[in-house]
Amino acid sequence: DTGVSQDPRHKITKRGQNVTFRCDPISEHNRLYWYRQTLGQGPEFLTYFQNEAQLEKSRLLSDRFSAERPKGSFSTLEIQRTEQGDSAMYLCASSLATGGRETQYFGPGTRLLVL
Amino acid sequence: ELKVEQNPLFLSMQEEKNYTIYCNYSTTSDRLYWYRQDPGKSLESLFVLLSNGAVKQEGRLMASLDTKARLSTLHITAAVHDLSATYFCAAPRRETSGSRLTFGEGTQLTVNP
Repeated sequence: DTGVSQDPRHKITKRGQNVTFRCDPISEHNRLYWYRQTLGQGPEFLTYFQNEAQLEKSRLLSDRFSAERPKGSFSTLEIQRTEQGDSAMYLCASSLATGGRETQYFGPGTRLLVL
Repeated sequence: ELKVEQNPLFLSMQEEKNYTIYCNYSTTSDRLYWYRQDPGKSLESLFVLLSNGAVKQEGRLMASLDTKARLSTLHITAAVHDLSATYFCAAPRRETSGSRLTFGEGTQLTVNP
């Protein structure tokens, strides 16, 4: 399977704990995006990388959230001191920037439940 | 700030009927995307509309884009149960170098026998 993969698929944690999610994009894709989706809503943008550079962060991304893409391949999203409001599906997407014909391909998501 | 609105949010159809989902966006955008999401699953890319007047068709689904009206439509022809899912439209922000997408709330489609 050469699609976007995410790990873990499900995570249950207690409030105050730290969690880390991983995303492996499609191999030749240079852009990688993180979105968050809550029940009944569309995905909301969190941050994106072009190669290893983090180029934009949403105001939704508080200082408890940090994302990295150290070698321009896989990415990690860490949430520190989780809160119940962080419960959501975290989606990763990747794309190949080709002068306006970009399509983002989404991974299966990591569903986080904070108790 | 770019806003994307879909209507209806909920749509219950009978098989073999036709219907249209509408997607309005608030600021100029030169592209529009449609995605499908099944319950508990991720998003599947359906269409990428790249210019004014673009029309794309895949099976019973047809999408169009009117950039002057800031409107895209997803037309369903002779619906079948397999089309039951949530459909999202999304538009990119032009002023950023990347393509962060702003999604609509989604249209939850149920096709009844």
